[in-house]
Amino acid sequence: QKEVEQNSGPLSVPEGAIASLNCTYSDRGSQSFFWYRQYSGKSPELIMFIYSNGDKEDGRFTAQLNKASQYVSLLIRDSQPSDSATYLCAVNMGDSGYSTLTFGKGTMLLVSP
Amino acid sequence: DGGITQSPKYLFRKEGQNVTLSCEQNLNHDAMYWYRQDPGQGLRLIYYSQIVNDFQKGDIAEGYSVSREKKESFPLTVTSAQKNPTAFYLCASVRADTGELFFGEGSRLTVL
Repeated sequence: QKEVEQNSGPLSVPEGAIASLNCTYSDRGSQSFFWYRQYSGKSPELIMFIYSNGDKEDGRFTAQLNKASQYVSLLIRDSQPSDSATYLCAVNMGDSGYSTLTFGKGTMLLVSP
Repeated sequence: DGGITQSPKYLFRKEGQNVTLSCEQNLNHDAMYWYRQDPGQGLRLIYYSQIVNDFQKGDIAEGYSVSREKKESFPLTVTSAQKNPTAFYLCASVRADTGELFFGEGSRLTVL
């Protein structure tokens, strides 16, 4: 069974703090990893993706991947109340862009003013 | 602007009725997907299609059917055989070079 695990939260952080969201996956052969943000009642939107071990930064967001530990994380610096949403980790456990993504259940983030 | 259009956004159905959810994309993507999301849950794959006239069952295909007669269109029918159809349904297509999924705005189905 291919699985993606996330802490459901909620993760509560004050405005301006760093929020750290974590995700583990079961398939060691997974190739690509995605973080989506989903506001209540809306569809998911891509924040960033990462393929290689290490860090990838995009503005206030940093994705971190450790394939040996089967672990991927998302750091949000200078958290804003508008970052309050559910963050979905998704993993491509196949070998092509057409392979299906397996999603975690998401972590709810609450950023308080 | 390119994107994915789902309709209707909200739909109410009586038990025993079939309903069809529309999904159209103008991104020129080959592969399209249908996911279901229940409150507090992640996305679960219903069906996907990688090319026209071909589709595969996902993890929860029972009670659903699809067709893929055109590259742009991938409608989902929720049949009366689906025991618990009330959910948020998301259509997506994939950018092949990155694997990124693009989502429509979703269709919320409620069974009365």
